[in-house]
Amino acid sequence: QQQVKQSPQSLIVQKGGIPIINCAYENTAFDYFPWYQQFPGKGPALLIAIRPDVSEKKEGRFTISFNKSAKQFSLHIMDSQPGDSATYFCAASRSYQKVTFGTGTKLQVIP
Amino acid sequence: NAGVTQTPKFRVLKTGQSMTLLCAQDMNHEYMYWYRQDPGMGLRLIHYSVGEGTTAKGEVPDGYNVSRLKKQNFLLGLESAAPSQTSVYFCASSYPSGWDVSYNEQFFGPGTRLTVL
Repeated sequence: QQQVKQSPQSLIVQKGGIPIINCAYENTAFDYFPWYQQFPGKGPALLIAIRPDVSEKKEGRFTISFNKSAKQFSLHIMDSQPGDSATYFCAASRSYQKVTFGTGTKLQVIP
Repeated sequence: NAGVTQTPKFRVLKTGQSMTLLCAQDMNHEYMYWYRQDPGMGLRLIHYSVGEGTTAKGEVPDGYNVSRLKKQNFLLGLESAAPSQTSVYFCASSYPSGWDVSYNEQFFGPGTRLTVL
């Protein structure tokens, strides 16, 4: 049973575009929603995270939008750059329990 | 600090062979995890540990065993490798740090690419 559904599986945008990656979750007990970024040949690393008591969080060019009633959250990358090309994973967890990851989105930003 | 390290980086096994993957962390983290990453499947949790001497099953534990004899090390064993276990294996560690948005941040190692022929 996949508790975190992520789309799209892959995404190609032009430099300067705003890629959007969407995730939906089922377990209403989740209270921590991180996004991880993974470059080829590397392990994932935390990019940005949000709690359900806020609807948006920005860190630099990266923004999480959170819709608690719809049980959905998304990652927006403003002014995307070729260096943002990576695989992005959304995830969810409850308190200190293990994290459930989405299936990943491979983003390619072309110059 | 080295963070999370994994040994080996690459390995090729024949069906039925056994091997152990070693994960080490120097951040004094309590929690450690083993994941496998397959195309289109994301990161799937194999086993995890919430402290020295404790382990628990994750989403896909069959065919794997683990041990956490020391806080800084988490070993993943394959007793009889099968082609279905061809994957990239990631170890991660974390330490719940209270109510802020970075709590339970997982720190990943560089991965081990395993091929079972």
